[in-house]
Amino acid sequence: EAQVTQNPRYLITVTGKKLTVTCSQNMNHEYMSWYRQDPGLGLRQIYYSMNVEVTDKGDVPEGYKVSRKEKRNFPLILESPSPNQTSLYFCASSLEGPNQPQHFGDGTRLSIL
Amino acid sequence: EDQVTQSPEALRLQEGESSSLNCSYTVSGLRGLFWYRQDPGKGPEFLFTLYSAGEEKEKERLKATLTKKESFLHITAPKPEDSATYLCAVQGSGNTPLVFGKGTRLSVIA
Repeated sequence: EAQVTQNPRYLITVTGKKLTVTCSQNMNHEYMSWYRQDPGLGLRQIYYSMNVEVTDKGDVPEGYKVSRKEKRNFPLILESPSPNQTSLYFCASSLEGPNQPQHFGDGTRLSIL
Repeated sequence: EDQVTQSPEALRLQEGESSSLNCSYTVSGLRGLFWYRQDPGKGPEFLFTLYSAGEEKEKERLKATLTKKESFLHITAPKPEDSATYLCAVQGSGNTPLVFGKGTRLSVIA
């Protein structure tokens, strides 16, 4: 089954404790991206990767890092999480780029205390 | 700056009562306008892509249309299972990020 898998689905942690949210897709997609979804603000892009050689910032990259060592994986790293990063996070992928349909994971709900 | 505004924020319909959701946008060089459906606890699910003014796409009870300034998602004779949040997004020139609207929360009552 074609899918984007995120882990964990839920996480409660404390300020400053490094965490990684994993994202994996099995569709051989080139393009992957991370979004956060907040009430009243909608979905906003954090980082994206056109392919394994290219990653770039989205609209709200502050406090986040990503890596793309393999085509299928695109982890989101919070080096020193803060309460304002409490949010619902989605990973997405598409065949070639942002102008194609995105396949989303089911989300990771992060609470930073 | 690319912008997307969706209206209404919430819509409550009786089963069988047709209606339309609106997505107004401003974008530099539209490369695609997307409609997604999002159920509670799930990620957005792709519905349609529209690329140029005048284009229309249909899927079951849903029909999406596009003009130079807005898109409509028409829902004909909705059923309770159509209840969800519907998201509109645009992608402008180059590799600019998708810009999403805040969504319309649709409730269809039996």
